[in-house]
Amino acid sequence: EPEVTQTPSHQVTQMGQEVILRCVPISNHLYFYWYRQILGQKVEFLVSFYNNEISEKSEIFDDQFSVERPDGSNFTLKIRSTKLEDSAMYFCASSETSGGFYEQYFGPGTRLTVT
Amino acid sequence: ELKVEQNPLFLSMQEGKNYTIYCNYSTTSDRLYWYRQDPGKSLESLFVLLSNGAVKQEGRLMASLDTKARLSTLHITAAVHDLSATYFCAVDGEYGNKLVFGAGTILRVKS
Repeated sequence: EPEVTQTPSHQVTQMGQEVILRCVPISNHLYFYWYRQILGQKVEFLVSFYNNEISEKSEIFDDQFSVERPDGSNFTLKIRSTKLEDSAMYFCASSETSGGFYEQYFGPGTRLTVT
Repeated sequence: ELKVEQNPLFLSMQEGKNYTIYCNYSTTSDRLYWYRQDPGKSLESLFVLLSNGAVKQEGRLMASLDTKARLSTLHITAAVHDLSATYFCAVDGEYGNKLVFGAGTILRVKS
């Protein structure tokens, strides 16, 4: 069964460093998403991406964040200068289309620890 | 602002008992999703409810949706330890480009 994959599974970085989280969405999916979950809290939407453009982004997704689909398979989230409060689990998701009948499938997540 | 509220936030129950988790939301969406999350793991899709009155069952879990009341329920029948997890409900955002999650219900089933 097709699945969303993410690498790395765990990333430790120092405050102020740049990190890139990588995702490979399901191959025939057109919409891609990033969510984050701070330990013990709810899942929060960061950004959605379609046709090489951001469809929607949350207040969390400020200028420190960017997303890219550098090739036909990868979808990346970059955090330019990490802060302690960026420590969280980051989930990538993909769907055939947006909303409605096409559910989002989530990857296993990348645990980001900022020290 | 779209809000999704779950209750209870924490549920400790004995094996064999029944209980219901409630999910209220503020949007007019007629679609609602239930996910399960085990500690340190990703989100596993349990149910996708697509219309008013939708009811879906899988094993000991049954989910329903009342769009008029903006309420979904997740009913647990004769709980077993393996159901211990965090359960999230979620609805589509205004433009359908995101999911908005509730705070989650931590379920602990004691044997």
